[in-house]
Amino acid sequence: ETGVTQTPRHLVMGMTNKKSLKCEQHLGHNAMYWYKQSAKKPLELMFVYSLEERVENNSVPSRFSPECPNSSHLFLHLHTLQPEDSALYLCASSHTLQGAGGNTIYFGEGSWLTVV
Amino acid sequence: DAKTTQPTSMDCAEGRAANLPCNHSTISGNEYVYWYRQIHSQGPQYIIHGLKNNETNEMASLIITEDRKSSTLILPHATLRDTAVYYCIVRKMKTSYDKVIFGPGTSLSVIP
Repeated sequence: ETGVTQTPRHLVMGMTNKKSLKCEQHLGHNAMYWYKQSAKKPLELMFVYSLEERVENNSVPSRFSPECPNSSHLFLHLHTLQPEDSALYLCASSHTLQGAGGNTIYFGEGSWLTVV
Repeated sequence: DAKTTQPTSMDCAEGRAANLPCNHSTISGNEYVYWYRQIHSQGPQYIIHGLKNNETNEMASLIITEDRKSSTLILPHATLRDTAVYYCIVRKMKTSYDKVIFGPGTSLSVIP
């Protein structure tokens, strides 16, 4: 248990559906992240938020829409996805964005997304 | 950010020490070495981090060379549950923003 909870753990959606992934952290952190991990590939950073403000959008297509209503919650809204978007989506949090030295990033267990 | 290189895969006998190397030859003085692991189908798990000195916690030991150009993660008594992908990354000390990038890591297989 890392203190970062993701729901749902598994999601199957059609290409015309709209769904959302939810992440909640119970660590009192101010920074939250979305990563994508496709089969047999390294983690790819998607979005970064600090104090509810987006500070990084790593060239992610607009069919992925993040939302951070407060520092404890992060959503990833999904619409008109493609089969190649099927992957493990990981949420993470850290105390701040500012560097290392005890500012460890903690990950959730991930949401497995399958687009059919 | 400095980059790291790790062997693609390694095997280790159960009960023996697993020594996972990482090369970070371009590391700068203000960068930490962090290790994470990812067990299949789960999120990455933090293991340990260090700057210059060797570090030990309940999970592992981290040995950093004096020139800081490489490090070794040691799992003292590997178990089957230690089979995972191990990531070595470098992260800057406090700066305005630290973008954390993961490489492909080392796939460790612990063999019975």
